[in-house]
Amino acid sequence: NAGVTQTPKFQVLKTGQSMTLQCAQDMNHEYMSWYRQDPGMGLRLIHYSVGAGITDQGEVPNGYNVSRSTTEDFPLRLLSAAPSQTSVYFCASSYSPGPGNTIYFGEGSWLTVV
Amino acid sequence: AQKVTQAQTEISVVEKEDVTLDCVYETRDTTYYLFWYKQPPSGELVFLIRRNSFDEQNEISGRYSWNFQKSTSSFNFTITASQVVDSAVYFCALNTGTASKLTFGTGTRLQVTL
Repeated sequence: NAGVTQTPKFQVLKTGQSMTLQCAQDMNHEYMSWYRQDPGMGLRLIHYSVGAGITDQGEVPNGYNVSRSTTEDFPLRLLSAAPSQTSVYFCASSYSPGPGNTIYFGEGSWLTVV
Repeated sequence: AQKVTQAQTEISVVEKEDVTLDCVYETRDTTYYLFWYKQPPSGELVFLIRRNSFDEQNEISGRYSWNFQKSTSSFNFTITASQVVDSAVYFCALNTGTASKLTFGTGTRLQVTL
């Protein structure tokens, strides 16, 4: 059962570097999203997509780009990493965008920006 | 705006004790969904339960039970006869509107010791 797969699991970046966090799901889910988890703040939504070719901003989108060229993949790009982007990142998906759908999460990507 | 409050930052219990994790939510929407997720020390987020705003029946699943009360805007989670494997951070989350955008509480860390 692959579910939602994120890579890499751990990454250290220098300030100003760029990188892409990969996310893939094999459940044919329409809806995909990215959250970041910071101590004492729970998880906050960065970007989301309701289908291929459609993306939108969440609560904390600054410094991140996304695209959705296929149903399966939803990469998150950091164009110029900053220490404030040190966090744990979770990719998630659900069958459809409706609020009653269960959202399933990947295993997380631990990112440190030095 | 939506808000989820988990006032208990950390709870420590001895194995076999019962423990209740509190969750209070705020929303002006009449249709909404509430979720609980478990984050064990390994870091992944595990879905536990989903409840919609029209279903106030309590739910029991093994040692887990959930008490949803609209009158107090609460969705509390009780673990009966806790075990060391229950040690984790537990998140309560709220979803309203037309898209799957979860609003998370800040989480409660449960430590179960022998």
